[in-house]
Amino acid sequence: DAGITQSPRHKVTETGTPVTLRCHQTENHRYMYWYRQDPGHGLRLIHYSYGVKDTDKGEVSDGYSVSRSKTEDFLLTLESATSSQTSVYFCAIRGSAGVVEEQYFGPGTRLTVT
Amino acid sequence: GQSLEQPSEVTAVEGAIVQINCTYQTSGFYGLSWYQQHDGGAPTFLSYNALDGLEETGRFSSFLSRSDSYGYLLLQELQMKDSASYFCAVTRGSQGNLIFGKGTKLSVKP
Repeated sequence: DAGITQSPRHKVTETGTPVTLRCHQTENHRYMYWYRQDPGHGLRLIHYSYGVKDTDKGEVSDGYSVSRSKTEDFLLTLESATSSQTSVYFCAIRGSAGVVEEQYFGPGTRLTVT
Repeated sequence: GQSLEQPSEVTAVEGAIVQINCTYQTSGFYGLSWYQQHDGGAPTFLSYNALDGLEETGRFSSFLSRSDSYGYLLLQELQMKDSASYFCAVTRGSQGNLIFGKGTKLSVKP
C-alpha cells in the first residue's frame, strides 16, 4: 500500500461548474501525477508535479489546472467542467526504488459531467 | 509524435502461456513498463525494462529490445485471476512521465 487516497471517489456535476479533485499521499514522495482514463484511450497524463509549487503540463492539460502547496497534496481543478471531461481520474506517485521506474496509483475518482 | 501499439484483446486458457507485444515510437525513451488493471480497479505496476533483455518476476516476464522499439510481457501458468487489462507504458524523460498504450484485455478461460 503506497498510501495514496483520492477524494471524492465519485462525483456528478453539471456543465460549467468548477470541480476540484484531491490526491493525498503519506509517503513524502516528490513526484505526483494526474491521469485520466477513457475507453479506447488508455491513461493519459494531465499534469504532474516535481515538488511543492512545481508543476508542469502533460499530454491533455487543456481545461485543467493543478496546485501543490504541500508535499502530501496534489489538487486537480476543472475550472468550468464540460461533458468531455467525464472520465475516471487517477492520481499516482513515483516510486523511489532505485533505477526501476514505477508509479503507484490511487483508487481513482469517477467524474460525470451532465 | 509518440505512440504505443499493443493488441486490443487476447484470449487464452488456464495454465497456458500468453505473450502481449508492444511497439513504441517516442523521443526521450528511458524505459518500458507494464501495468495490470482489473475492471473497476487502479493500475498496478508489474515490471520495468530500461535495458535490452528479459526481466523475470515469478510467473511474469518482460522483454525489451531498444533497437527494435519493441517489448513484450509474458505470462506463464495462466490463472483465472490474470484476466485483466495490461498496459505497456514508456517512461519519457527524467521526470518519470509515462505514455501509455491503449491496453490489452486478457481473458483467461477455464
